[in-house]
Amino acid sequence: GEDVEQSLFLSVREGDSSVINCTYTDSSSTYLYWYKQEPGAGLQLLTYIFSNMDMKQDQRLTVLLNKKDKHLSLRIADTQTGDSAIYFCAENQGGKLIFGQGTELSVKP
Amino acid sequence: EAGVAQSPRYKIIEKRQSVAFWCNPISGHATLYWYQQILGQGPKLLIQFQNNGVVDDSQLPKDRFSAERLKGVDSTLKIQPAKLEDSAVYLCASSANYETQYFGPGTRLLVL
Repeated sequence: GEDVEQSLFLSVREGDSSVINCTYTDSSSTYLYWYKQEPGAGLQLLTYIFSNMDMKQDQRLTVLLNKKDKHLSLRIADTQTGDSAIYFCAENQGGKLIFGQGTELSVKP
Repeated sequence: EAGVAQSPRYKIIEKRQSVAFWCNPISGHATLYWYQQILGQGPKLLIQFQNNGVVDDSQLPKDRFSAERLKGVDSTLKIQPAKLEDSAVYLCASSANYETQYFGPGTRLLVL
């Protein structure tokens, strides 16, 4: 099937690390992405990883990819209230992005 | 560099009316996408253009939806006639390569 799965909600305290998980479906997907969507806004590309990589780090963001289990995760270090948003993972299937349903991250002061 | 532009930002119509959305991609981006995002879900691809040709429109409900990109730059998406279930955010994205897609702010459509 085409379903990319994510947990729906995550709540953390400011300053803690957040880990958002995703399982995808197509082992031939070349790129995997994390997008952020704030209320009333479009999707902002946060980071992405090529399928031959295991890990990518970009400032506070760390992406881990387990191809065997088709598992993708996004770790946000030192989470801030401004990180509160919905986070979507997506896989690239032949140029078409297949999105999960999104994880709503709530950061409490 | 200017991002993807979309208009209008909001639209409220009654069922059976028609509506059109406009998208201007990032300059130089050959590929343009229209996605539909229903509340509480992730975006789903409706149609993909490469320059002014259609690459994938397999998920476009062609009995009521149409899209064009006549000069390979701007694009319009039309719904005629609209149904209640068309209430959603319509997102336009553009890409210069296979790797990354950049999204506009979206048009929020409410069909009453």
